[in-house]
Amino acid sequence: QVQLVQSGAEVKKPGASVKVSCKASGYTFTTYGFTWVRQAPGQGLEWMGWISTYTGDTNFAQKLQGRVTMTTDTSTSTAYMELSSLRSDDTAVYYCARAIRGGVNFDYWGQGTLVTVSS
Amino acid sequence: DIQMTQSPSSVSASVGDRVTITCRASQGISGWLAWYQQKPGKAPKFLIYSASTLQSGVPSRFSGSGFGTDFTLTISSLQPEDFATYYCQQANSFPLTFGGGTKVEIK
Repeated sequence: QVQLVQSGAEVKKPGASVKVSCKASGYTFTTYGFTWVRQAPGQGLEWMGWISTYTGDTNFAQKLQGRVTMTTDTSTSTAYMELSSLRSDDTAVYYCARAIRGGVNFDYWGQGTLVTVSS
Repeated sequence: DIQMTQSPSSVSASVGDRVTITCRASQGISGWLAWYQQKPGKAPKFLIYSASTLQSGVPSRFSGSGFGTDFTLTISSLQPEDFATYYCQQANSFPLTFGGGTKVEIK
């Protein structure tokens, strides 16, 4: 069965970087891309970006351009999202999800990783 | 960017009720709309794509409709496990965007 398992919670200081991992299993990794979605406490879902596991192509939300990096490692079937220059409003649960149908729908999700940015 | 607006932001309903949630796009998106369900502390669950196609395993009491800018999600007979927050998401163009969510609460 398809599973996405994310890395554990992180606490970071403002200005630092965080890297969240998402290990996939149960399917051929390079068949589908990944998207990352975040959710601030008590708020809605925010799409952060998408990466193709086949080509490495990416597409990011404009507000995060320059601060977000998405990568994949096909040897370990793992996707990564790194966010730099962290601010307090980056505090959120970060989800990875498998992106299907051209990368625009998300059928399987990780369990979420809480990233807290606090001095 | 395409803005997605959901209404209402919350609705109180009883088991067995019919519930309808509306999602409006700021510009036409054809049928490129998805719906997700999220329960507290859990990841979202993929319900519907292409405005009206149920994802495998989703109960038939869920249905979606619409085209262009106006879309609806209907739960025909609300069950206890359906109390959750529902999000629409436009799949027409990057950047992909979500609606603000509709919380379905117990009356």
